[in-house]
Amino acid sequence: DIQMTQSPSTLSASVGDRVTITCRASQSITSWLAWYQQKPGKAPNLLIYKASSLESGVPSRFSGSGSGTEFTLTISSLQPDDFATYYCHQYNNYSQTFGQGTRVEIK
Amino acid sequence: QVQLQESGPGLVKPSETLSLTCTVSGYSISSSYYWGWIRQSPGKGLEWIGSIFHSGNTYYNPSLRSRVTISVDTSQNQFSLKLTSVTAADMAVYYCAREGGAARPTPFDYWGQGTLVTVSS
Repeated sequence: DIQMTQSPSTLSASVGDRVTITCRASQSITSWLAWYQQKPGKAPNLLIYKASSLESGVPSRFSGSGSGTEFTLTISSLQPDDFATYYCHQYNNYSQTFGQGTRVEIK
Repeated sequence: QVQLQESGPGLVKPSETLSLTCTVSGYSISSSYYWGWIRQSPGKGLEWIGSIFHSGNTYYNPSLRSRVTISVDTSQNQFSLKLTSVTAADMAVYYCAREGGAARPTPFDYWGQGTLVTVSS
């Protein structure tokens, strides 16, 4: 299995802050990486696919970058609605795996 | 608008079989896409279980493959999950979801609300 490691596990930030979350793969996944946002009691919501493509309807303050084994999700200006948990997801092969999550909390 | 809804028992006894069904509305399963199951437990985060195409073609998480069967019923626009020999480690919220593609694995773009399955005697 390809292991996905996110950092940090928890991030404290204020409204308006620029926030960056990192996801590292245990082997190259080229650009087959997605990011999801999950709020308590809700299903994950797809934000980014193929490392840097913004899903339809997702605000442009969200962006993704990276390739190979290192990827980042950036929120350019954190909004109140963005306090949530974020997961990376590799779909490089027929054995998909998720990162353990990064919780973004209010500072 | 594509909608998915999980259904099934919320309580399963240890060593028995967990059975869930996902009913899809707003899209015909037989048209395209892979359809999958993902679970989430406090100890292990999100875990992909497996996915199925409308033709019945499946692919499973290697760590669960020996206990998992996913099937599809295109006439009912549903797909189902069976997980045998459950233990406390299988207690989780189970989600059904659509993979946004058909040619290769793709991210999940539509999700059900999730259903909590407890394993207890």
